[in-house]
Amino acid sequence: QAVLTQPSSLSASPGASASLTCTLRSGINVGTYRIYWYQQKSGSPPQYLLGYKSDSDKQQGSGVPSRFSGSKDASANAGILLISGLQSEDEADYYCMIWHSSAVVFGGGTKLTVL
Amino acid sequence: EVQLVESGGGLVQPGGSLRLSCAASGFTFSAYNMNWVRQAPGKGLEWVSYISTSSSTIYYADSVKGRFTISRDNAKNSLYLQMNSLRDEDTAVYYCARTGDFDLWGRGTLVTVSS
Repeated sequence: QAVLTQPSSLSASPGASASLTCTLRSGINVGTYRIYWYQQKSGSPPQYLLGYKSDSDKQQGSGVPSRFSGSKDASANAGILLISGLQSEDEADYYCMIWHSSAVVFGGGTKLTVL
Repeated sequence: EVQLVESGGGLVQPGGSLRLSCAASGFTFSAYNMNWVRQAPGKGLEWVSYISTSSSTIYYADSVKGRFTISRDNAKNSLYLQMNSLRDEDTAVYYCARTGDFDLWGRGTLVTVSS
C-alpha cells in the first residue's frame, strides 16, 4: 500500500469548489505530519502552493491566492487541498507530499479538470 | 531574480554516468537545504535526494542509494548530482528544489538513458 494515495482525477465546474484528498497509509497518523501541496501545469515545473499541519501551523506559498487552502480530515486520515472559486487556469496536476522517516514521499497526483 | 537553473542532462547509455548541476541565484544559497526530484515521462514526482546547508546531513531514495551522490558548493552557489550506473528507469526530468518545503523549483533537465 502506498504511503500517500490521491485520486487520479477530479472534475469540477468553473466557480465551484474542489476538494482534493491525500490519504495516508494506515498506521501513519495524519495529525503528526505537515502536508505539502504542489501544482504542476502541463509543460511546467511544479509550484509550491502551501503546507498545512494545523490551523495554527500552516504556510501559504508566496503569491498563492487565498482560495487555495489546506485542512485535514482526521477520521479519514487524510490531508485536503480545497480550491474555491475554480478558474480555468486551475486545471493542472496536484501533488501532496510529506517527510516520512528521513525521506520525502509524494502522492501519485490528481489531475484536476475544470469544465 | 530568485531562480534555480539545472544543466547537465543528456543521452547516456545504460551503465554510464552523468553529472547534473543546479545554479542558484537571487537568494543566499548557503542558508537553504536543497533537494533533487525527478519525473519520468508522463509520470508523477519522485524525490531523489536531500542535502543540508553544510552538507552534514544527506538522504537518498532507496531507488538511487549507492549509485547517486548529492553535493553542493556554497561558494559557487551550486548543487550537484553525480549519477553512476545509470539504468533505463532513471530516464526523467530532474529538478532541483529549495528547502524542506520545496518552495522553489528549477525548470529541470532531461536525462535519457538508452542504448
